[in-house]
Amino acid sequence: GAGVSQSPRYKVAKRGQDVALRCDPISGHVSLFWYQQALGQGPEFLTYFQNEAQLDKSGLPSDRFFAERPEGSVSTLKIQRTQQEDSAVYLCASSGGLSEAFFGQGTRLTVV
Amino acid sequence: AQSVSQHNHHVILSEAASLELGCNYSYGGTVNLFWYVQYPGQHLQLLLKYFSGDPLVKGIKGFEAEFIKSKFSFNLRKPSVQWSDTAEYFCAVNAYGSGTYKYIFGTGTRLKVLA
Repeated sequence: GAGVSQSPRYKVAKRGQDVALRCDPISGHVSLFWYQQALGQGPEFLTYFQNEAQLDKSGLPSDRFFAERPEGSVSTLKIQRTQQEDSAVYLCASSGGLSEAFFGQGTRLTVV
Repeated sequence: AQSVSQHNHHVILSEAASLELGCNYSYGGTVNLFWYVQYPGQHLQLLLKYFSGDPLVKGIKGFEAEFIKSKFSFNLRKPSVQWSDTAEYFCAVNAYGSGTYKYIFGTGTRLKVLA
C-alpha cells in the first residue's frame, strides 16, 4: 500500500489478556518505530528497528512489552498480561533513511 | 536526555487571525526538526521539516516555521488561519548526530479555529 497500515484499528482486551498489534510499513523503508500515545499527550517512543534489528527498545515500559520485525518488513508489538494503564493509541511509523517518519492510523487499545 | 516543550496546550482563534505556536527543544548537537499535524480522526501528517540550510522553512497549507539555533526554538506560524486548520499540532526533534534515530515529540497544541 501507499502508506503505513496498522491492524486492528481498535482492540478491547480484558485485563490479563495478551494482545498483538500489527504494522505494515511503507515498502522499502528501513526504519520502523513504535510509539504509545495516551489521551492528551504526544507520542512517546517505545522501540526502533533498522531492518530486522531492534536497535533501541529503551522506551518499552516493562518486560510485558515485546516487539519484533523478523524479516525486516512487517512488525508486531505484543503486550502480555495487559493492564489498564496500557490503554492508549499505539502508533507505528516508518522512515526511509534520513527523512521524516510516516505514521499509520494507530491501534486504539482499551483494557477493561 | 532530549526533550521538546510546546508552550501552548490549547489555542482558540477566529478565522483570519494569525497563529504562532511555540516549540523549544533541549539538545546541544545537530537536530532535524519537524511539525506534524493531526486532524480529527486522521493520522499524524508532516506539515514541514528542517534539516539544514535556510532556517525559515515553508510547509503545506501556508504554514512556516523558523529555526533559531541560539534559542533552541522552532516556532510554527501562519499569517491567517482557516476553520479547516482546527487540529492538534506536534513539534518533534530527531537527533541523528547522537547515534539515536528516534523522534521526540512535544505534548501537542490543540488548535480550534472559530468560523
